[in-house]
Amino acid sequence: DTGVSQNPRHKITKRGQNVTFRCDPISEHNRLYWYRQTLGQGPEFLTYFQNEAQLEKSRLLSDRFSAERPKGSFSTLEIQRTEQGDSAMYLCASSLHGEKLFFGSGTQLSVL
Amino acid sequence: GENVEQHPSTLSVQEGDSAVIKCTYSDSASNYFPWYKQELGKGPQLIIDIRSNVGEKKDQRIAVTLNKTAKHFSLHITETQPEDSAVYFCAASTSGTYKYIFGTGTRLKVLA
Repeated sequence: DTGVSQNPRHKITKRGQNVTFRCDPISEHNRLYWYRQTLGQGPEFLTYFQNEAQLEKSRLLSDRFSAERPKGSFSTLEIQRTEQGDSAMYLCASSLHGEKLFFGSGTQLSVL
Repeated sequence: GENVEQHPSTLSVQEGDSAVIKCTYSDSASNYFPWYKQELGKGPQLIIDIRSNVGEKKDQRIAVTLNKTAKHFSLHITETQPEDSAVYFCAASTSGTYKYIFGTGTRLKVLA
């Protein structure tokens, strides 16, 4: 068990650019979640996959955000036309039975 | 909407003393309450959890209590050590919703 892996750990981009993050969940986990965390706040739910199906999306997830989980394994989160307000830590988590979420170390996004 | 309030936002204790962090949730349908520890530059790590059919759960130096009537739950850390210093988050979720609502976090500092 190598845990949830996220890449890159840090991303600095200019406003208006597109960015993509990757998450590799714990291998036997069928559920995958994306959360966003800003400084001094708890994680906020963005979206959830069960296997390859995206079952729930938060209102926080504007149409500039898209997430995929092809083949039910790794997942990608893409942000198009980044804005300064997108600067945050993007956390991925996985679980086997819906409880006990295991988080990765996150991708810290800074939009200049 | 669903909300989890967490207090205090910061807590300093002397090594060996106990620390208590309290959370209140708004959704009476919530039935699963995990606690996470987050160290600098890392993702949240699950330390203990409790389901609504149990009033108390203990794991070595940490314990969680739940009062469903008052919609309160608390984290208790006894015999605190410097390595307990971190940010602690409570969360609440409801079976079938796949979404955790996190509190705003408590920064615990254990003074040696």
